[in-house]
Amino acid sequence: GAGVSQSPSNKVTEKGKDVELRCDPISGHTALYWYRQSLGQGLEFLIYFQGNSAPDKSGLPSDRFSAERTGGSVSTLTIQRTQQEDSAVYLCASSFRTGGRDEQFFGPGTRLTVL
Amino acid sequence: QQQVKQSPQSLIVQKGGIPIINCAYENTAFDYFPWYQQFPGKGPALLIAIRPDVSEKKEGRFTISFNKSAKQFSLHIMDSQPGDSATYFCAAKSAGGTSYGKLTFGQGTILTVHP
Repeated sequence: GAGVSQSPSNKVTEKGKDVELRCDPISGHTALYWYRQSLGQGLEFLIYFQGNSAPDKSGLPSDRFSAERTGGSVSTLTIQRTQQEDSAVYLCASSFRTGGRDEQFFGPGTRLTVL
Repeated sequence: QQQVKQSPQSLIVQKGGIPIINCAYENTAFDYFPWYQQFPGKGPALLIAIRPDVSEKKEGRFTISFNKSAKQFSLHIMDSQPGDSATYFCAAKSAGGTSYGKLTFGQGTILTVHP
């Protein structure tokens, strides 16, 4: 049906709180990615899931960040004990597969502000 | 380590001009080079992509030029229009190794096309 959806669109939280960001990928897409876009910066890879394989967590900046993907569909990115430097737009993308030149379709992002 | 370097950071042209955005990469394992267009409040959307076995690809007013030996590629926008005003990101992806699956992005170029 529709494209990649993310919720919430905006999230304001206080330093030290935990936050959960949700991503609904395009139906049928087996690969799901999380990226972070800081002000004036490019997109920074965080983590990706491909089918039932172990996720590639190589981009997670610290152990405060974690993500899961339930049932091969919806994914949740969790940031524990948020810090001000976590403020950014968190983008989710999905593709039919991970390899090859399969296009990654991006959601609109969640803008996280940590006060 | 920044693996994809993009320039300029910002670019202003008049309607009808031909803005050129340049990218350089380091990882010789990269084998897929997409360009993404992002409007404010939206996620990036694939604009055009190229493989390293061709030197040029055109789609409408958008052209990618690719120089494998120099490890550089660029985006040209012919007959630019105010509606092309957006942020443009180059990216790269590899079919294997540590960059498998995930996109590595440049820092982005903010393009403004004046009427």
